[in-house]
Amino acid sequence: NAGVMQNPRHLVRRRGQEARLRCSPMKGHSHVYWYRQLPEEGLKFMVYLQKENIIDESGMPKERFSAEFPKEGPSILRIQQVVRGDSAAYFCASTTGTSDETQYFGPGTRLLVL
Amino acid sequence: AQSVTQLDSQVPVFEEAPVELRCNYSSSVSVYLFWYVQYPNQGLQLLLKYLSGSTLVKGINGFEAEFNKSQTSFHLRKPSVHISDTAEYFCAVKPGGYQKVTFGTGTKLQVIP
Repeated sequence: NAGVMQNPRHLVRRRGQEARLRCSPMKGHSHVYWYRQLPEEGLKFMVYLQKENIIDESGMPKERFSAEFPKEGPSILRIQQVVRGDSAAYFCASTTGTSDETQYFGPGTRLLVL
Repeated sequence: AQSVTQLDSQVPVFEEAPVELRCNYSSSVSVYLFWYVQYPNQGLQLLLKYLSGSTLVKGINGFEAEFNKSQTSFHLRKPSVHISDTAEYFCAVKPGGYQKVTFGTGTKLQVIP
């Protein structure tokens, strides 16, 4: 059973460009979380998604950031008009959606904005 | 709302010595509790979790944690650490149902040869 997959593993963008980060959950998992980790900081919750539904987006910045988890295909975290402060590691985690909610993490995408 | 406090940002310990990483939480409802480990440049990996039942939970790599409801704590312990345990450890809590997980700020364990 393949684990959570994220691509790309590393992404370099110039200020003002768009970044698209992809997360393929584990087989059988229908829920995805996105987190941001800045250097020397912990994980910051961004958004919690079910297929075709956003459950909790209280951690998402109000502008430039969006996330989706379509019926088919991976979950996408999209950052428009990136700025240097967006440089971070972005992790996704998937779950089955049951109450115990053990999260299985992907290896992360490290975004560098020049 | 839930919160998680990991008071120690860094814990140095000599190889083969015991270690305890502290985690306290606050919540108005019952929660599930987790410890994750993150090795450099990798994602988080589940060490152990408490859902219900016995308050002493055993996990992978010889780690264990004890849930103390009265003190709202879930401290992580290992009787004898190895160099390979050098990593960052995150405590997390989650209420039941469709609610998000809340992570602590992490504790960096540095095992000294």
